Amino acid sequence: ETGVTQTPRHLVMGMTNKKSLKCEQHLGHNAMYWYKQSAKKPLELMFVYNFKEQTENNSVPSRFSPECPNSSHLFLHLHTLQPEDSALYLCASSQVDREYYGYTFGSGTRLTVV
Amino acid sequence: AQSVTQLGSHVSVSEGALVLLRCNYSSSVPPYLFWYVQYPNQGLQLLLKYTTGATLVKGINGFEAEFKKSETSFHLTKPSAHMSDAAEYFCAVSDQGTSYGKLTFGQGTILTVHP
Repeated sequence: ETGVTQTPRHLVMGMTNKKSLKCEQHLGHNAMYWYKQSAKKPLELMFVYNFKEQTENNSVPSRFSPECPNSSHLFLHLHTLQPEDSALYLCASSQVDREYYGYTFGSGTRLTVV
Repeated sequence: AQSVTQLGSHVSVSEGALVLLRCNYSSSVPPYLFWYVQYPNQGLQLLLKYTTGATLVKGINGFEAEFKKSETSFHLTKPSAHMSDAAEYFCAVSDQGTSYGKLTFGQGTILTVHP
């Protein structure tokens, strides 16, 4: 596989469930990102991992918990979500010190909280 | 700090007409500039980018953009719209030399193409 792969593509969960989103990149990049994209809202940067260390957390509620076990994998653990958390969650990766390459995005996970 | 403003959240054109999507940026250092396209329920795909050199850059699907430093703009154009161009377009800026190449995105412009 090449590029950035996100699983699952679609997820429906109840407000009391616990689930995880997975992102894997096959590009040899060393920075990874989680974005939230809600209808009629700008892209919201949630978390940034740089060389497996979290370097940015944009005031994201604690019901979202990221994990980056290595530079190729990124998870977003979800628990006790609210209906307003329904959105498209996008993962991206990039190469530190190669910012002219931009980001490579996955296809996203469409999350619906019921 | 860097920022991006996309003028017009919705643009509608006829098939075969010129497409013009506007993007202005602010950056304290020379920027890298990007345009991404997003089709429904998909991730963002890189259309084109400006890093250094020629200020007119060509991308995929017949799109091009011109970096104008004096106007702090990076507008996206396509001479003749096709129905398949209907999507959301995002402009993004990255400051050269930042610690991890953080991109700042504009709010997006939805392009509608009608027959």
